[in-house]
Amino acid sequence: EVQLVQSGAEVKKPGESLKISCKGSGYSFTSYWIGWVRQMPGKGLEWMGIIYPGDSDTRYSPSFQGQVTISADKSISTAYLQWSSLKASDTAMYYCARRMWAFDIWGQGTMVTVSS
Amino acid sequence: EIVLTQSPATLSLSPGERATLSCRASQSVSSYLAWYQQKPGQAPRLLIYDASNRATGIPARFSGSGSGTDFTLTISSLEPEDFAVYYCQQRSNWAWTFGQGTKVEIK
Repeated sequence: EVQLVQSGAEVKKPGESLKISCKGSGYSFTSYWIGWVRQMPGKGLEWMGIIYPGDSDTRYSPSFQGQVTISADKSISTAYLQWSSLKASDTAMYYCARRMWAFDIWGQGTMVTVSS
Repeated sequence: EIVLTQSPATLSLSPGERATLSCRASQSVSSYLAWYQQKPGQAPRLLIYDASNRATGIPARFSGSGSGTDFTLTISSLEPEDFAVYYCQQRSNWAWTFGQGTKVEIK
């Protein structure tokens, strides 16, 4: 079965760092782009950026450039989204998704809560 | 950045009725438009890609049309499980923007 499994929910304080993960299985992880999508509470979907695990080519939405870092470790079929200094406004559900002609396979989401 | 505008924001319909959702792009995206369905507490699910191609396992009551800047998602006869939020997304450049969503609710 083709699937993406994300790491569990996180509760952090402002200023802390965080790295969440997305592990692919059931397909050739290095052959498909993986994207990250933010959904703030009660809001819509926002495309954050995308990485090609085969060579770590990475592209960011202008809205998220410099705010997060996307990376991947192809040896363990895992993509990552990380923050160096979280803000309360980073509180959201974060999804990873596999890109073909669209995002065809989605992870279950990782809820990140940032609160003092 | 290409902006996608969905209308209406909310669509109130009864089961069995036809739903017509619109997505307009601020500039041409050719046929590079997808539609997703999202139910509360769930990840989005791909319905349509490249404007008119149904994704694997998607029922035939879902259809997509359009090209350039104007696109439509049609649900021919609403089933109870179709009441959800629907998003369009473009992939014509590297910034894959989403529309703001249309909520299809039970009337």
